[in-house]
Amino acid sequence: EAGVAQSPRYKIIEKRQSVAFWCNPISGHATLYWYQQILGQGPKLLIQFQNNGVVDDSQLPKDRFSAERLKGVDSTLKIQPAKLEDSAVYLCASSSLAGYSYNEQFFGPGTRLTVL
Amino acid sequence: AQSVAQPEDQVNVAEGNPLTVKCTYSVSGNPYLFWYVQYPNRGLQFLLKYITGDNLVKGSYGFEAEFNKSQTSFHLKKPSALVSDSALYFCAVRDPSGGATNKLIFGTGTLLAVQP
Repeated sequence: EAGVAQSPRYKIIEKRQSVAFWCNPISGHATLYWYQQILGQGPKLLIQFQNNGVVDDSQLPKDRFSAERLKGVDSTLKIQPAKLEDSAVYLCASSSLAGYSYNEQFFGPGTRLTVL
Repeated sequence: AQSVAQPEDQVNVAEGNPLTVKCTYSVSGNPYLFWYVQYPNRGLQFLLKYITGDNLVKGSYGFEAEFNKSQTSFHLKKPSALVSDSALYFCAVRDPSGGATNKLIFGTGTLLAVQP
């Protein structure tokens, strides 16, 4: 079974530029998550999708971050404009609907963003 | 509010010795608890989870964890450490009363260093 795919793996941009990350979840997984992991901290949920609907985006800085999952499969996360404090690893995860509330989440390798 | 504490930034242990990585939690209801491991430049990998039932949970790579409700703890253990166990370990909790969101709250991580 293929895992969660993310691209790019690394990205360096200057502040005020825009950037986009892509995620393809495990086939058949209805739920997709984007996490932000700042160095020295645990991952923090930014947004959760179930199919193509948003379940939780309470911690997404909506003035600069946006995410979509148009066909209920892959997803993109965008930052525009980027700030220095956005430097982090952006992790995508997915889980199946069966046993929804206690199923483990499967994580991709992440995208390391550096904002200069 | 849900929270997870990992009181040790780093745990050092000699190969062949038992290891313990500590985790305490705070949730309003009965928790769902998870341990993940993160190797350098890779995403998080699921190790084990506690949902209900036996307080001792066995997981991948010989790890186990003990759920202690009175002490609100979920410490990760392994009887005999390997050098290859050296990685960053995250404890996470989900409050099952959290509704539709399946959000995990992660601790700050504990770096396990196993010396040969």
